Amino acid sequence: EAGVTQFPSHSVIEKGQTVTLRCDPISGHDNLYWYRRVMGKEIKFLLHFVKESKQDESGMPNNRFLAERTGGTYSTLKVQPAELEDSGVYFCASSQEGPSPLHFGNGTRLTVT
Amino acid sequence: GNSVTQMEGPVTLSEEAFLTINCTYTATGYPSLFWYVQYPGEGLQLLLKATKADDKGSNKGFEATYRKETTSFHLEKGSVQVSDSAVYFCALSDSGAGSYQLTFGKGTKLSVIP
Repeated sequence: EAGVTQFPSHSVIEKGQTVTLRCDPISGHDNLYWYRRVMGKEIKFLLHFVKESKQDESGMPNNRFLAERTGGTYSTLKVQPAELEDSGVYFCASSQEGPSPLHFGNGTRLTVT
Repeated sequence: GNSVTQMEGPVTLSEEAFLTINCTYTATGYPSLFWYVQYPGEGLQLLLKATKADDKGSNKGFEATYRKETTSFHLEKGSVQVSDSAVYFCALSDSGAGSYQLTFGKGTKLSVIP
């Protein structure tokens, strides 16, 4: 089966610009997660979708971040406007229904200059 | 809240050396414990897991035992190879929170030299 895919793999933008990250989960996986690793720090949970519904968005840092999962398939994470501290690697993960292991994508490395 | 503390890196070892990466955790309930690995240019992969006290997870020669009394889940391998060079992350999940949300440590970069 195809794994979790993320686009783009790298993105370099200027402060104040907008960036949209995309995640395609493994087909049939209802659960979709976004995580972020800021350089030198822990990988932090951002939010969790079950199908198209936001189950838990307690990790979203502020209202500059907007995540969507229309139709319960792929998900997008938009950062608008981007700030320097948003730089890091954004990981997406998916899993089957229930407490199943997470399958991670390769991540999107975002650099805000 | 939940937290995971793992030894700071980077760690550099010669091939066939013994590896230990320490990991301790703080959790309110009875978490499941994991080690994830990220090879260069790739995403996170589950290396091994343990879901209850005294369980031992193992895979690819790596082992870790869930020690509730010391709240630890140290990763070990008896003889490392160059191909084990990667970043290793200890993590826990408190599935009682209603989701499979993971709490990660900061990661330990391992370099194995021939």
